[in-house]
Amino acid sequence: DAKTTQPPSMDCAEGRAANLPCNHSTISGNEYVYWYRQIHSQGPQYIIHGLKNNETNEMASLIITEDRKSSTLILPHATLRDTAVYYCIVRVPRNAGGTSYGKLTFGQGTILTVHP
Amino acid sequence: EPEVTQTPSHQVTQMGQEVILRCVPISNHLYFYWYRQILGQKVEFLVSFYNNEISEKSEIFDDQFSVERPDGSNFTLKIRSTKLEDSAMYFCASSGSGGLTQYFGPGTRLTVL
Repeated sequence: DAKTTQPPSMDCAEGRAANLPCNHSTISGNEYVYWYRQIHSQGPQYIIHGLKNNETNEMASLIITEDRKSSTLILPHATLRDTAVYYCIVRVPRNAGGTSYGKLTFGQGTILTVHP
Repeated sequence: EPEVTQTPSHQVTQMGQEVILRCVPISNHLYFYWYRQILGQKVEFLVSFYNNEISEKSEIFDDQFSVERPDGSNFTLKIRSTKLEDSAMYFCASSGSGGLTQYFGPGTRLTVL
């Protein structure tokens, strides 16, 4: 799986948009970009994923650059409950043997702190 | 909304004892996974399971570990002879027939004394 690079920490004011960047310059054509978050040692929570196009759901928006070498997760109106570690993960759809969908390889992520 | 559940939430055991961690994946899911997270470290992949067999495993998943789907709803991780370094949060995850998105349970905190 391609390696990702994220800033170790970011701050955001409550009610403002949080923009979390991720670099994945070695991404290959069939790899998806996934975002998960983990709130204080709870299970990782799926946020959003994309391949080429920008994506939006009820939690966030994902902006992927045209060359796919970087992406940005946008939380449009951050709340205190959005304080968490955010992981950007690049993942192939299947493992090498084609018998399972690929594992998730977590890095250190970005610690997002939302301030009142 | 369907969710992955795990029991127990916290398991304390003595070194050398066997433990079984239990997971109930989302009901129509077909792919199952175990991950672990040692305190202060990254979430690490252990094993994936599909069609009643292991499809991929990491170096961590040695002979002391095994997984099983004993019935249509449960998915278990067994550690035969626990070591101090097995102390960690263990997360179960599952994904559906499309397989693209894994959903995680809340985890079991395993403490080996």
